[in-house]
Amino acid sequence: GESVGLHLPTLSVQEGDNSIINCAYSNSASDYFIWYKQESGKGPQFIIDIRSNMDKRQGQRVTVLLNKTVKHLSLQIAATQPGDSAVYFCAENTGPGNQFYFGTGTSLTVIP
Amino acid sequence: DGGITQSPKYLFRKEGQNVTLSCEQNLNHDAMYWYRQDPGQGLRLIYYSQIVNDFQKGDIAEGYSVSREKKESFPLTVTSAQKNPTAFYLCASSIVASRGVQHFGDGTRLSIL
Repeated sequence: GESVGLHLPTLSVQEGDNSIINCAYSNSASDYFIWYKQESGKGPQFIIDIRSNMDKRQGQRVTVLLNKTVKHLSLQIAATQPGDSAVYFCAENTGPGNQFYFGTGTSLTVIP
Repeated sequence: DGGITQSPKYLFRKEGQNVTLSCEQNLNHDAMYWYRQDPGQGLRLIYYSQIVNDFQKGDIAEGYSVSREKKESFPLTVTSAQKNPTAFYLCASSIVASRGVQHFGDGTRLSIL
């Protein structure tokens, strides 16, 4: 199967600081990526996605960066808030008809 | 509101018993999925369905069964053949099979008595 991993299993940041969560993927054929947020006891929520023809995409307080050369994906959260505390994981897809593969996740804790 | 509803939230299974997890969506999505989530692991695909009356095995289908008789419903049965069923089970749906953004329910936690 595909390998989607995260560099840091846990991350603690001060409220108001920026957070960066990383994800490495192993399949150079992957061309679509999604970041999800999962709060305790709940299902994952879509945050942002990016296709391989882009290297950056911005949403509300979030930015995803894609570096295809080193097969690396990152999620940046600006002005991190206590409500951002959750597990974040990435998912990759290699093309239509193929399944997504999910990373193990990084637990983000925001310190008030 | 449109969304995915999973029930029950918590489920307990006795040894040798089959249990069925419910998943209903009112998003009019064609594709539906079942994942298993274990601590420290990424989501693993159990089964998926691209259209009504059709479904395919995922990476860990052994010990599970599904049906897709209606577009909005995709129940998962955890059979007694599944020797390690304790996990958090997530159902998802997407407009386009295996490509569009998958929207998830809030899961069912299955435990063994």
